[in-house]
Amino acid sequence: EAGVAQSPRYKIIEKRQSVAFWCNPISGHATLYWYQQILGQGPKLLIQFQNNGVVDDSQLPKDRFSAERLKGVDSTLKIQPAKLEDSAVYLCASSLGNFGSLREETQYFGPGTRLLVL
Amino acid sequence: GNSVTQMEGPVTLSEEAFLTINCTYTATGYPSLFWYVQYPGEGLQLLLKATKADDKGSNKGFEATYRKETTSFHLEKGSVQVSDSAVYFCALKGSNYKLTFGKGTLLTVNP
Repeated sequence: EAGVAQSPRYKIIEKRQSVAFWCNPISGHATLYWYQQILGQGPKLLIQFQNNGVVDDSQLPKDRFSAERLKGVDSTLKIQPAKLEDSAVYLCASSLGNFGSLREETQYFGPGTRLLVL
Repeated sequence: GNSVTQMEGPVTLSEEAFLTINCTYTATGYPSLFWYVQYPGEGLQLLLKATKADDKGSNKGFEATYRKETTSFHLEKGSVQVSDSAVYFCALKGSNYKLTFGKGTLLTVNP
């Protein structure tokens, strides 16, 4: 079974530029998550999709971050304009999304995109 | 709100040593508890989980027991290997079904 795919793996940009990250979840997974992992910290949830609808985006800085999940499969996370503090690893994860087992359900993570903003 | 506190690293051990990484949590209700591992250059992988009090999760020689009375989920392994070198994250999923992670503990095992 193929895992969660992300691209690019690395990106270096200057502040105020824009950047986009792509994620392809495990086939059949209804729920998709984007996390931000700053060096030395645990991942922090930015946004959660159920199929192509947003379930939770309470920690997404909406003035500069946006995300979409067209057709309920692939997803794109965009930052525009980037700030120095956005330097982090951006992780995508997916899960089956069965409402009866959400509390126990395993999330599967991709390898992440490491972003450096100069 | 929910929170997870892990022992700070880095932890450096010799091969075949005993490992304990402490994890305590704060949550309302009855969360599920997880340990994730992140090997160098890779994404997070689920190592083990426990979904109710007194449950023991185990995988690849690692174990952790859900202790509600002490709100803890300490990770243990009897004999570590060089290949266990990684960052270990304790996490909980509470009533809002969101994963809350600790800061991670870097483990280095020397031959």
